[in-house]
Amino acid sequence: DVVLTQSPLSLPVTLGQPASISCRSSQSLVSSDGNTYLNWFQQRPGQSPRRLIYKVSNRDSGVPDRFSGSGSGTDFTLKISRVEAEDVGVYYCMQGTHWPPVTFGGGTKVDIK
Amino acid sequence: EVQLVQSGGDLVQSGGSLRLSCAASGFTFSNYWMSWARQAPGKGLEWVANINQDGSEKYYVDSVKGRFTISRDNAKNSLYLQMTSLRAGDTALYYCATGRRLGPCWGQGTLVTVSS
Repeated sequence: DVVLTQSPLSLPVTLGQPASISCRSSQSLVSSDGNTYLNWFQQRPGQSPRRLIYKVSNRDSGVPDRFSGSGSGTDFTLKISRVEAEDVGVYYCMQGTHWPPVTFGGGTKVDIK
Repeated sequence: EVQLVQSGGDLVQSGGSLRLSCAASGFTFSNYWMSWARQAPGKGLEWVANINQDGSEKYYVDSVKGRFTISRDNAKNSLYLQMTSLRAGDTALYYCATGRRLGPCWGQGTLVTVSS
């Protein structure tokens, strides 16, 4: 199974400042169809997960443009350009290239300093 | 509005069975793969199973193979997860979601607690 390693585990940020989360895969996530199925999810406290980014860098509908995804192969990054209070929560990367199983990273908890 | 409304979670004894349901609305259910995921208390997310549009393909995480069965009823716009031989380790909040790779729409979650 593909192992996704996220860092850091915890990320205290100052409002209005940028934040960055890393996700590293145990193998390349480039699919045989040429796509890279690496997604990012946000889970606010007490809520269901919400997909923010799909296929590395595509924002889902309604996701603010302060969220961006990048990367290739085995190294991926989620960036928040200016953190807002509503961004507090846990962020997960997820790969859907080598499935089953679909696998998740362990999560990064973002909170406000 | 795309919506997934879940039901069926409960407290059950170890070895027992439970069926979770997920009612879909706001989109053409029969056109989409569907998935189940779960989250143990205080833990991360885990994909559980998915099913293709007509139910002919089903995939499971190893830990539930032979115990859980995913199914769907396209006439009722509903997704199901039949869980048998439940263990303490199955205690979790269970989510249904659109897509084979856990897409943009998720249900509100339903809690399954397995007591020993």
